[in-house]
Formats: sequence, structure tokens, C-alpha cells
Amino acid sequence: GAVVSQHPSRVICKSGTSVKIECRSLDFQATTMFWYRQFPKQSLMLMATSNEGSKATYEQGVEKDKFLINHASLTLSTLTVTSAHPEDSSFYICSAAQLLGFFETQYFGPGTRLLVL
Amino acid sequence: QKEVEQNSGPLSVPEGAIASLNCTYSDRVSQSFFWYRQYSGKSPELIMSIYSNGDKEDGRFTAQLNKASQYVSLLIRDSQPSDSATYLCAVNKDQGAQKLVFGQGTRLTINP
Repeated sequence: GAVVSQHPSRVICKSGTSVKIECRSLDFQATTMFWYRQFPKQSLMLMATSNEGSKATYEQGVEKDKFLINHASLTLSTLTVTSAHPEDSSFYICSAAQLLGFFETQYFGPGTRLLVL
Repeated sequence: QKEVEQNSGPLSVPEGAIASLNCTYSDRVSQSFFWYRQYSGKSPELIMSIYSNGDKEDGRFTAQLNKASQYVSLLIRDSQPSDSATYLCAVNKDQGAQKLVFGQGTRLTINP
């Protein structure tokens, strides 16, 4: 159980285009989903917290107009990188929170590697 | 002081030995604690969660929590080369789906 998928796993795009990444919890309903970014040899950086039916909460320094998050259902959240530039090239990872007993546990998707040319 | 601190390593352990990974946290009200394993180029994978003081065992892994000392550890028995990865300690201040606070990770290498 607790499987989270992401699509696509890898994307290469031209500068100025927009890229949409999907995150799905396959066998549970996620109360909350999170979006992270990770640069090589660095730790995870939380970008935003996403709840179904409400606006995402962005971390300080993350542009909400550049990284659009839509949380359409309890099993699907999408991140759209708008007008991507080479500096947006990174490893984007989502996680979905599952309630187990009294505590929430985050399970991570496999990640999406974005390369902007 | 960082909220969650780990020794970045690298930590080298011979195959078959016990690997001991440590983590301290600063917020005394923290409720839940997690260990994730991340292989190079991959996303984090949940290894263990622990909520109460004491030990929790799952196969070759044992998590230990001491809330009085604000300390959580992960022991890996009979270490295998496949255990070589970065281990991330994460702390949640609340029972709810609040954001996790991650340590910087400890890079573990198991030498055959």
C-alpha cells in the first residue's frame, strides 16, 4: 500500500514553455500533498503544501505564479512550471500524506527530472 | 541551531556490521519522527516511523526515540552493500499533515 506515482518521470523542454507534472496517490486518499525540489547533492526543499479544494500554501521564496499547483481531488495534485527557464532544471518530487492511526505519514512519488534547454 | 541535525558523513561501515545513524531535533513539542532512505538519483523511501519513546524494530532496522534528550536514531543490523544510501531524518511537530522538517541527511557507505 501507500503508493504514489508521478508523471512524467523525465521531461526536456525549451526555455519559455510550461511543463505540467502530475502526482497521484494510487491506493489511498491523501489529505495533503506536498511538492519538493531537489538540486544535485542538496537536501529536499519544500516548495508548497497542497490541500484538495483549496489554494496551495507556498514556502517563502517560491513564486506562486510560476509554480502553479492544482489539487483537483484527494488523489491528484498537479504542479505546472510556467515559462520554464534553465535555472528551473531540477528534480521535482511530490509526497502524499496518509493518516495512519493518529499520525500522518508522507509517502514520496518517484520524482520528475526536468531539464530546460 | 538547525531544527533537525544529522552528521552529513560519509559514514563507512563494513558489510555485516551495525550501522548507527543519529539525529537530534530542537523543538521539544515534536510528535512524530521518520527515517527515509534516498538512493542517488531517486526519491526518498520511508524506512521507519516512530512516535513513542523506546525502540521500534522492523526486520534489520531499529528506530530509537528519546524525547527527553530530543534524540532519534536508526540502527541497521547486518549491513549490506545495498544499504548504501543517504538517510534522512524527518520530524513532524504535529499529528496532522504539517510539513516535515528534514535533516541534511547522512551518507552511508557499506564496504564489502
